[in-house]
Amino acid sequence: GAGVSQTPSNKVTEKGKYVELRCDPISGHTALYWYRQSLGQGPEFLIYFQGTGAADDSGLPNDRFFAVRPEGSVSTLKIQRTERGDSAVYLCASSPTLAGGGNEQFFGPGTRLTVL
Amino acid sequence: QKEVEQNSGPLSVPEGAIASLNCTYSDRGSQSFFWYRQYSGKSPELIMFIYSNGDKEDGRFTAQLNKASQYVSLLIRDSQPSDSATYLCAVTPYGAGSYQLTFGKGTKLSVIP
Repeated sequence: GAGVSQTPSNKVTEKGKYVELRCDPISGHTALYWYRQSLGQGPEFLIYFQGTGAADDSGLPNDRFFAVRPEGSVSTLKIQRTERGDSAVYLCASSPTLAGGGNEQFFGPGTRLTVL
Repeated sequence: QKEVEQNSGPLSVPEGAIASLNCTYSDRGSQSFFWYRQYSGKSPELIMFIYSNGDKEDGRFTAQLNKASQYVSLLIRDSQPSDSATYLCAVTPYGAGSYQLTFGKGTKLSVIP
């Protein structure tokens, strides 16, 4: 089926505003991940979902960041009181299973967030 | 702090040559190793993964893993201009957190026609 999709592709906001970034994983993939990539860096892990629950949110930088996946498919990353340092490309990935050594993660096209 | 190190490049090779991309990692307990290709302005695309010591071949790509030396490499045979991209090495730990990819900063490859 289709790959991971993310919307919007670009988001420009002002400092202090609230933003939501959406991810639609590959159909049937139970695991979903959010990463953040700054210019010249590799992606950095933010949060992992297995089904509906956030199994690991240790990568979220602070409590302004929150993510949900209420029905075990689409996920939304929410950022409150945005700061200029939040500007980056936010990548979503999904994988079919966590078990064993599989865990091949497939990335969506990303959302480029710019905080002015 | 778990680290993955890559030479940022750019690595320039002539068309048709072998490109060799290297990666070292600090966590001796790392379990799985991935190579992603990322074109400018695009998202990472999975090329290969390897779990066991030795070589794994897929078409023009060969991944090599040496856990004793904590070293993983990617060889690209018969390099093409379309291979020009940034190559990201990523590792996952064993056990808890085994889903969490830790990426290097990537090596920029330029294949010269």
